[in-house]
Amino acid sequence: QVQLVQSGAEVKKPGASVKVSCKASGYTFTSNYIHWVRQAPGQGLEWMGIINPSDGSTNYAQNFQVRVTMTRDTFTSTVYMELSSLTSEDTAVYYCARAGSNHLDFWGQGTLVTVPS
Amino acid sequence: QSALTQPRSVSGSPGQSVTISCTGTSSDVGGYTYVSWYQQYPGKAPKLMIYDVIERPSGVPDRFSGSKSGNTASLTISGLQAEDEADYYCCSYAGNFNWVFGGGTKVTVL
Repeated sequence: QVQLVQSGAEVKKPGASVKVSCKASGYTFTSNYIHWVRQAPGQGLEWMGIINPSDGSTNYAQNFQVRVTMTRDTFTSTVYMELSSLTSEDTAVYYCARAGSNHLDFWGQGTLVTVPS
Repeated sequence: QSALTQPRSVSGSPGQSVTISCTGTSSDVGGYTYVSWYQQYPGKAPKLMIYDVIERPSGVPDRFSGSKSGNTASLTISGLQAEDEADYYCCSYAGNFNWVFGGGTKVTVL
């Protein structure tokens, strides 16, 4: 069965960076893109970007283009999302989700990133 | 890319039908047949309920249905059940490998 298992919760200082991992299993890793989506406390879902695990190509949402980097490791079937220059407004749960053509069909459990103000 | 517009909340009694709208533009909802809907319980990850406007993944009850007209997509829950009380988000492909979500709608079962 398809599974996306994310790394654990993080607490970071303002100005620091955070790197969240998402390990895929149960399917061919390079066959499906991976999205990253975040959700601030009490707020809605916000699309951050997408990575093609096959060749590492990416596309980032305009709001994150300067601060986000998505990478992958095909040997461990893991994708990573690194967000830099953190502020308290980046406090959120970060999700990875597998792309099923033009929708998000399987989601990770989420990773809480806290940036105290 | 602006978020798609959803009502903040809708409610209905058990057995009734509720419809959630999702309004975008011709650059996203109106331009593609790639609208999807997600159900989210508090503290849990979202779950895919509808994709490609009208398609239901295996295991999703057939009381959930989707539609689209122009720049507005809709999710209808027929025969509302207590377990349907959750937050619902629409999402649309917006071209050039970009996606956009709606602000979310809280469904309350009275």
